[in-house]
Amino acid sequence: DSGVTQTPKHLITATGQRVTLRCSPRSGDLSVYWYQQSLDQGLQFLIQYYNGEERAKGNILERFSAQQFPDLHSELNLSSLELGDSALYFCASSARTGYSTDTQYFGPGTRLTVL
Amino acid sequence: GENVEQHPSTLSVQEGDSAVIKCTYSDSASNYFPWYKQELGKGPQLIIDIRSNVGEKKDQRIAVTLNKTAKHFSLHITETQPEDSAVYFCAAREGGSYIPTFGRGTSLIVHP
Repeated sequence: DSGVTQTPKHLITATGQRVTLRCSPRSGDLSVYWYQQSLDQGLQFLIQYYNGEERAKGNILERFSAQQFPDLHSELNLSSLELGDSALYFCASSARTGYSTDTQYFGPGTRLTVL
Repeated sequence: GENVEQHPSTLSVQEGDSAVIKCTYSDSASNYFPWYKQELGKGPQLIIDIRSNVGEKKDQRIAVTLNKTAKHFSLHITETQPEDSAVYFCAAREGGSYIPTFGRGTSLIVHP
């Protein structure tokens, strides 16, 4: 158990809908990262937050957004969902940011299915 | 940006054999190389990592080697067991980036 929690575990929804994925980092970790994992694209970095502020952005669509709250939990919002958004979404956390050797610890993931 | 190639994509071995997974990276500024194991239905879990100032690191049955000149690093698992069956990901992170670049993964199957 990495100490990172994600809810829900599974999510089934329809095209055009909006969903929110939640992540709680390990106790004391200030950085949260969101990744998308699909069969054809592997593990793709979406966005990182550090202590409430956006720190790095990857291949995140404009339909997706995230935020990190004062208690350090984070939410990833996915809107106008398309079939191609079906994937596993992982949250990871690390203690700090700005240090290239910081270890990232992954949560169990949320499996999103868009029908 | 960084590009990480991982081979093979699938590796099938008999219990007790050794398994080797190889990765190459493109950015010579990369200085941190973690390896993750992902079991079915779970998130990736860090199993070992290596910094660029170290050539080899061992932890029981697993070891990682790094060749900075050739820009490649490898994961070695000895005396494989069925519970080693999983997908393994390598990653590389350059000094100025917070974000590792992951390889595409290797599906390791250990036959009893």
